[in-house]
Amino acid sequence: QSALTQPASVSGSPGQSITISCTGTSSDVGGYNYVSWYQQHPGKGPKLIIYDVSNRPSGVSNRFSGSKSGNTASLTISGLQAEDEADYYCNSYTSSSTYVFGTGTKVTVL
Amino acid sequence: QVQLVQSGAELKKPGASVKVSCKASGYTFTSNALSWVRQAPGQGLEWMGWIIAHDGDTNYAQKFQGRVTMTTDTSTSTAYMELRSLRSDDTAVYYCARHSGNYYFDFWGQGTLVTVSS
Repeated sequence: QSALTQPASVSGSPGQSITISCTGTSSDVGGYNYVSWYQQHPGKGPKLIIYDVSNRPSGVSNRFSGSKSGNTASLTISGLQAEDEADYYCNSYTSSSTYVFGTGTKVTVL
Repeated sequence: QVQLVQSGAELKKPGASVKVSCKASGYTFTSNALSWVRQAPGQGLEWMGWIIAHDGDTNYAQKFQGRVTMTTDTSTSTAYMELRSLRSDDTAVYYCARHSGNYYFDFWGQGTLVTVSS
């Protein structure tokens, strides 16, 4: 199972919106609405920010939103803030009843 | 509150085995599955496998099949991940993560650093 493909880095200025893509196949991203996203600050563990493509857990800012089209899922961060600078990983359930993470995207706030 | 507390850092020689523990509290341990995820230094997250806590059913990533064993002890609400025939590229932080009722990981352990070096 190959990792899902994400851009290595995305940057934006405070207040701007950015979008991170996550491309898989019909056996994972495209086959199920079970894409989740995780935020990881340096030296910390991952934190769930989006589940089931577009749902936010309680306590997660509504500046984070998710969507999916075909084999590609996307995470959008609107109103970018300094605290959003972190690594972001997508994850999908697969047809083998396994899971696969994306390659990860480093978000830089300019 | 849900907590997953992992065992401490390990230093192992190549060819050895390591067993990492993950003690759960704040929920009914047998109600959820757990996954193990690792992260090599400066690298991304890598899913290793899952275990259903109440019956021990497992599913491992193909990359680790034959080298990893995941188990649970329901009497102590603890999950274990054993990795054998360690190599230097197994050096990583290993996390346990609780599956929600659905297909995502809602709580994570603090991570356990495993260093493989001669």
